[in-house]
Amino acid sequence: AQTVTQSQPEMSVQEAETVTLSCTYDTSESDYYLFWYKQPPSRQMILVIRQEAYKQQNATENRFSVNFQKAAKSFSLKISDSQLGDAAMYFCAYRAQNTGTASKLTFGTGTRLQVTL
Amino acid sequence: EAGVTQFPSHSVIEKGQTVTLRCDPISGHDNLYWYRRVMGKEIKFLLHFVKESKQDESGMPNNRFLAERTGGTYSTLKVQPAELEDSGVYFCASSQDYLVSGLAVETQYFGPGTRLLVL
Repeated sequence: AQTVTQSQPEMSVQEAETVTLSCTYDTSESDYYLFWYKQPPSRQMILVIRQEAYKQQNATENRFSVNFQKAAKSFSLKISDSQLGDAAMYFCAYRAQNTGTASKLTFGTGTRLQVTL
Repeated sequence: EAGVTQFPSHSVIEKGQTVTLRCDPISGHDNLYWYRRVMGKEIKFLLHFVKESKQDESGMPNNRFLAERTGGTYSTLKVQPAELEDSGVYFCASSQDYLVSGLAVETQYFGPGTRLLVL
């Protein structure tokens, strides 16, 4: 069974600084997707970034980028130029790459990110 | 476009009572998922509908949980009778997958969740 581990329950970053959130996973599959989701306080969870395992290039979305290390089964999220609106719970998630069908996400326990002035 | 909505936002019930949670997916989304997060733990998958059919219900904890999706639109998740360990946040997500080179590509859109507290 696949597992996702987020070893940092809480992180803090100053506004305009850079922070990296860690995520490791365990799977016997060679093809899969990895995601970072963000849940602001009292708001819905939204997708931040997605990485396909077959792609060597790390995904980027504006100030958000990942460091995907397939051999090490590591998928960290870097937030550059942190803003107050980045304060949220961040979840790392895994999905198997099934042919032809959508399927469930496997989540980590989350990292709560605080952004300070 | 309206997002995924869930009702109620909060529910407090006593052990042994019944609670029904509702999820309205994004219009046109065939896939509907239920997940649950118990305090401080990971978000765990419960089940997956494709239209009105249960594609995967491997995460349902026991037969006290009953999920339906009549007509392939909204879904309900009923817990009967509720136990203390059922407390948590229940999330619903929906998606519309498409095939790229035979592989299913999808983004799951989440609702705000229902906070359930069983006393």
